[in-house]
Amino acid sequence: GENVEQHPSTLSVQEGDSAVIKCTYSDSASNYFPWYKQELGKRPQLIIDIRSNVGEKKDQRIAVTLNKTAKHFSLHITETQPEDSAVYFCAASSDKGGGNKLTFGTGTQLKVEL
Amino acid sequence: NAGVMQNPRHLVRRRGQEARLRCSPMKGHSHVYWYRQLPEEGLKFMVYLQKENIIDESGMPKERFSAEFPKEGPSILRIQQVVRGDSAAYFCASSWDRTDTQYFGPGTRLTVL
Repeated sequence: GENVEQHPSTLSVQEGDSAVIKCTYSDSASNYFPWYKQELGKRPQLIIDIRSNVGEKKDQRIAVTLNKTAKHFSLHITETQPEDSAVYFCAASSDKGGGNKLTFGTGTQLKVEL
Repeated sequence: NAGVMQNPRHLVRRRGQEARLRCSPMKGHSHVYWYRQLPEEGLKFMVYLQKENIIDESGMPKERFSAEFPKEGPSILRIQQVVRGDSAAYFCASSWDRTDTQYFGPGTRLTVL
């Protein structure tokens, strides 16, 4: 089955700096890669996603890049703000078989310091 | 514009009791996924259901756990004879079709004493 690895597990940046979180996946059939933000005690919230037919997607301060050959994808947050502090999870899925189950990375605790 | 609803939000059970977790998908969504999140860990897939059908239960423990999504009413994740290791947050997510974005509910935090 799919295996997703995520690095780093913790990341501390100064407000205004950029943050980059990297994930690798194992299943070449994976074609959908969402990123979720989870604040303490809250639900995971989708912040951006990318499908394998594109290499990059941007939404304001957030961007995701995908390298299908190397099987890795990254989340980039620019001009970080204190409210960006949370745990971020990457995930991968394929639509082979019966569904679209997400395989998650282990999460990155992002702390944006003033 | 109600999102995915889950209840109860917190559930305390003693070892050996049964736990029933409910998930109401977003309006118009007929695909439901259940995930489990152990403390300090990521989310792990458990089961994927469409109305009245279990499509993929490859992440579900073979014993004590079952899930359903009836024609009417919420999806239910049932855990029989709970043990302390079942203590976790259980999230459901719903999507409009099987490849669409999954939106998560607020989760049910199960504590087994």
